[in-house]
Amino acid sequence: NAGVTQTPKFQVLKTGQSMTLQCAQDMNHNSMYWYRQDPGMGLRLIYYSASEGTTDKGEVPNGYNVSRLNKREFSLRLESAAPSQTSVYFCASKGSNQPQHFGDGTRLSIL
Amino acid sequence: QQQVKQSPQSLIVQKGGISIINCAYENTAFDYFPWYQQFPGKGPALLIAIRPDVSEKKEGRFTISFNKSAKQFSLHIMDSQPGDSATYFCAASNPTGTYKYIFGTGTRLKVLA
Repeated sequence: NAGVTQTPKFQVLKTGQSMTLQCAQDMNHNSMYWYRQDPGMGLRLIYYSASEGTTDKGEVPNGYNVSRLNKREFSLRLESAAPSQTSVYFCASKGSNQPQHFGDGTRLSIL
Repeated sequence: QQQVKQSPQSLIVQKGGISIINCAYENTAFDYFPWYQQFPGKGPALLIAIRPDVSEKKEGRFTISFNKSAKQFSLHIMDSQPGDSATYFCAASNPTGTYKYIFGTGTRLKVLA
């Protein structure tokens, strides 16, 4: 039982490149979330999907897009990466009457 | 009104001591307050959580104290151990059905052996 799996674990991009971060959960959870973690700023919500087929903006959505591919998978896309998007990205999922459960993150550097 | 303010930013405690981390919120509609523990290179993991209808919840060495009137809650780690050295985040849940969490900025705890 893997829980929430994020790929890749590390990535280095050049400014302007595009990339998709993948997230998959095997807990049959309805809700999924993408956060970014920066020093001194905690976890900030980028986008979320309350249920399959729906997505909504969080606190810091600019420069990102998401796709809820199916109930298991929720991807985050950077269309044109910028150095300000250097961060650690976490995906989380949540089922009924359960807390959010996090993956181990993708460490992204943009040069 | 959606912020959760966490303090201190960092904390150093001797082994066996008590670690205390505080959080404050403004939105009285928040209805779930989890604490997450994060080790380097790992994702946050739920440590303990409380709802506003109780004033205290204890699980082993970890206790949440909740003061609804003051809109504050705190994490107490009793008999702190070097293995407790990690970053701790408080959070509050948006009650709109989307289950969004608002996180505090984190506290880096170091327990000295």
